[in-house]
Amino acid sequence: QVQLQESGPGLVKPSETLSLTCAVSGYSISSGYYWGWIRQPPGKGLEWIGSIYHSGSTYYNPSLKSRVTISVDTSKNQFSLKLSSVTAADTAVYYCARSVIVVVVAALGWFDPWGQGTLVTVSS
Amino acid sequence: EIVLTQSPGTLSLSPGERATLSCRASQSVSSSYLAWYQQKPGQAPRLLIYGASSRATGIPDRFSGSGSGTDFTLTISRLEPEDFAVYYCQQYGSSPQNTFGQGTKLEIK
Repeated sequence: QVQLQESGPGLVKPSETLSLTCAVSGYSISSGYYWGWIRQPPGKGLEWIGSIYHSGSTYYNPSLKSRVTISVDTSKNQFSLKLSSVTAADTAVYYCARSVIVVVVAALGWFDPWGQGTLVTVSS
Repeated sequence: EIVLTQSPGTLSLSPGERATLSCRASQSVSSSYLAWYQQKPGQAPRLLIYGASSRATGIPDRFSGSGSGTDFTLTISRLEPEDFAVYYCQQYGSSPQNTFGQGTKLEIK
């Protein structure tokens, strides 16, 4: 059974870089699938941040692309998110998830399963 | 970018009743590439439906999805107490990005 677990600081200062890691168990990232990050501001809806393949190919939400970097470490079976120059608007629960891709050129697909999520607050 | 609009915003029903949730897209969703998720308070979303009408593994058959083009529906045939939650639709057929609807809250009447 595939399980995903997010980890990282729960508090980040404005203008700094948010860094999170998603550890995957029960499945080898190198075996396939894409792996994605999705966020949810408190009381609001879901926003796709980006996705990565085990080869390192990445696809990002155009609205966040200039600030986002997603990377993968197959030796540790995990992938990571970095979001730079954060503001209060980046305060959210951040989820990682496995993605079944149907449109490869833009990493479009559904997400299953999801990690439990981690709340990141941007505040000084 | 395709915008998904879900209605109603809140749906108040009783256990045993039938729930019909709508997701309307601003443009046609390619190949019915639409998914539905359920989210309970404090939990991550759970995949219910993909490809507009295919149930995910382990999802009860009281959940069904239908639709094509710009209009999609999630139907819960007979509501169980555990079905009261927020439901999101997501399209994954049109570049440049995956997009989600704003959600429908299904609450107990």
